[in-house]
Amino acid sequence: AQSVTQPDIHITVSEGASLELRCNYSYGATPYLFWYVQSPGQGLQLLLKYFSGDTLVQGIKGFEAEFKRSQSSFNLRKPSVHWSDAAEYFCAVGPFSGGYNKLIFGAGTRLAVHP
Amino acid sequence: GAGVSQSPRYKVAKRGQDVALRCDPISGHVSLFWYQQALGQGPEFLTYFQNEAQLDKSGLPSDRFFAERPEGSVSTLKIQRTQQEDSAVYLCASTLDVGETQYFGPGTRLLVL
Repeated sequence: AQSVTQPDIHITVSEGASLELRCNYSYGATPYLFWYVQSPGQGLQLLLKYFSGDTLVQGIKGFEAEFKRSQSSFNLRKPSVHWSDAAEYFCAVGPFSGGYNKLIFGAGTRLAVHP
Repeated sequence: GAGVSQSPRYKVAKRGQDVALRCDPISGHVSLFWYQQALGQGPEFLTYFQNEAQLDKSGLPSDRFFAERPEGSVSTLKIQRTQQEDSAVYLCASTLDVGETQYFGPGTRLLVL
């Protein structure tokens, strides 16, 4: 069965430090992969997505992610974190069956940023 | 332009009450999804509409949950005889076309006492 694992429940980094959030997936075919961010009281905002092609994907707010098929991973990175990046981050895989993306989410990683 | 809106934003219900949660998708969006997000968890798929047709309701946890989208725009998720385990944030998402990026609303936080 399809699943997404985010091993880190909570991460704290200092402002200006680099960031990597881990995501591992289980999926029988070529996955559609997504990273969303959720701020308190807000809906989920798409940061980036991977469907095919270049395995390094650029997103909004300076984020990028790399798809590694051999490791079943899709880790999110940012070279320099800003205080406004504090939020919860969700990795998701989208089975594209029947013509629509029924997203399966990980449990999320909560990011705290120290000044 | 306006995004996906949901109402109410917060709902407190007594166990056994019926509730109705509303989703207004982005105008013209064909597809609409409902997800349930329990505390400390990621969202879980409930149901999917393409226009007014409910094509997938495999995620609805019980027959107490019912969703509709009669005119292919606004959708309502109804929960009958609410139970404490129904307490969660209910998220709605819409897409312009089938297979496109999902845009999420802010959610409705339901607390069943």
